[in-house]
Amino acid sequence: SQTIHQWPATLVQPVGSPLSLECTVEGTSNPNLYWYRQAAGRGLQLLFYSVGIGQISSEVPQNLSASRPQDRQFILSSKKLLLSDSGFYLCAWSVPSGGLYEQYFGPGTRLTVT
Amino acid sequence: QKEVEQNSGPLSVPEGAIASLNCTYSDRVSQSFFWYRQYSGKSPELIMSIYSNGDKEDGRFTAQLNKASQYVSLLIRDSQPSDSATYLCAVNKYLQGAQKLVFGQGTRLTINP
Repeated sequence: SQTIHQWPATLVQPVGSPLSLECTVEGTSNPNLYWYRQAAGRGLQLLFYSVGIGQISSEVPQNLSASRPQDRQFILSSKKLLLSDSGFYLCAWSVPSGGLYEQYFGPGTRLTVT
Repeated sequence: QKEVEQNSGPLSVPEGAIASLNCTYSDRVSQSFFWYRQYSGKSPELIMSIYSNGDKEDGRFTAQLNKASQYVSLLIRDSQPSDSATYLCAVNKYLQGAQKLVFGQGTRLTINP
């Protein structure tokens, strides 16, 4: 069965510090991978998605970046955090199954920028 | 107009009753629709997916899809306090070579014992 891991689970970082969040998927090959952010009391905002190694598409301009160095690894980074980067960061994966692209989420990383 | 719209609630339902959650979408070419449950402080969990008009049942959950009216709903029968959560409706979209989901803002559901 497939599992998705994210770490760390929680993170408190000062403004201007760098960020690296990691996501790995097990039990599947060549998944589509996604990074979302959920601000407090808000909906899910798609930040980045990837259909393969080294292939990254950005949904919104921001000071975040993403990389996919391996098939089942997805990394979210920032060189300098802003207060507005606080939120719940979620990684998700999907593979086609009968024409459906169901997305499954990891446990998330709660980031507080102080 | 938002791509996916849900009533934010809160929706309050007595235990044992049927909870009805609704969602409308704007893109007529959308083919797949999903319901996620999100407990406070946790990540969303996929509970139902549907892509054909009509009803799809899974245990106490029934998803209903009406593509002509661009409407998808989720019914929860015999509601339990453990069903109290935010329910997110999502619609599949194919754009720039990738399948993406567009989420509604979510409906907060409270089941009262």
